[in-house]
Amino acid sequence: ETGVTQSPTHLIKTRGQQVTLRCSSQSGHNTVSWYQQALGQGPQFIFQYYREEENGRGNFPPRFSGLQFPNYSSELNVNALELDDSALYLCASSLPPSGRWSYNEQFFGPGTRLTVL
Amino acid sequence: AQTVTQSQPEMSVQEAETVTLSCTYDTSENNYYLFWYKQPPSRQMILVIRQEAYKQQNATENRFSVNFQKAAKSFSLKISDSQLGDTAMYFCALNTGNQFYFGTGTSLTVIP
Repeated sequence: ETGVTQSPTHLIKTRGQQVTLRCSSQSGHNTVSWYQQALGQGPQFIFQYYREEENGRGNFPPRFSGLQFPNYSSELNVNALELDDSALYLCASSLPPSGRWSYNEQFFGPGTRLTVL
Repeated sequence: AQTVTQSQPEMSVQEAETVTLSCTYDTSENNYYLFWYKQPPSRQMILVIRQEAYKQQNATENRFSVNFQKAAKSFSLKISDSQLGDTAMYFCALNTGNQFYFGTGTSLTVIP
């Protein structure tokens, strides 16, 4: 069973550019969540994808968008990069909850470190 | 609004001793989950322990246990017999529905 992988490991962009980060979910997991972790902070929930549809979103502007593919891999796209977008971006995969109050464990990837200059 | 607060930015403990990390949270939901995650310097987040809000019994996982006080909205983590490999950032997290809320973390150092 392979774990969650993310690419690239590190990335440097300049303000105003666009970036795409990629995530391959753990085998059999069809739910993917993305988080932004600024230096010295806890992860902030960006959004979740389930069956290729957005299934919940945190307090992030529309320039943060995502995709999920039929093989359950996912992309996070950020347009018009700002200096404050510099952070570690984490992806986590899980099986979907079987009911509103059920839970399936999230497995995190190693993250992509994005630096915006 | 949901919030998670960790008031101890840094803590240290002697190897083999016991340490307790604090966490308080706020939510208007009746059903939710609470977690402690560990993030070692290699940065991959690992689940340490989880607690279902509807369960009164405190969760335990080997050397890790929690003290869940639902009325006080408190969720502390106790690490017994601390080991050098426990050195890491520890995050308290709240899950309601399909949203997760993390605290700012506690950096734990285990001293040989």
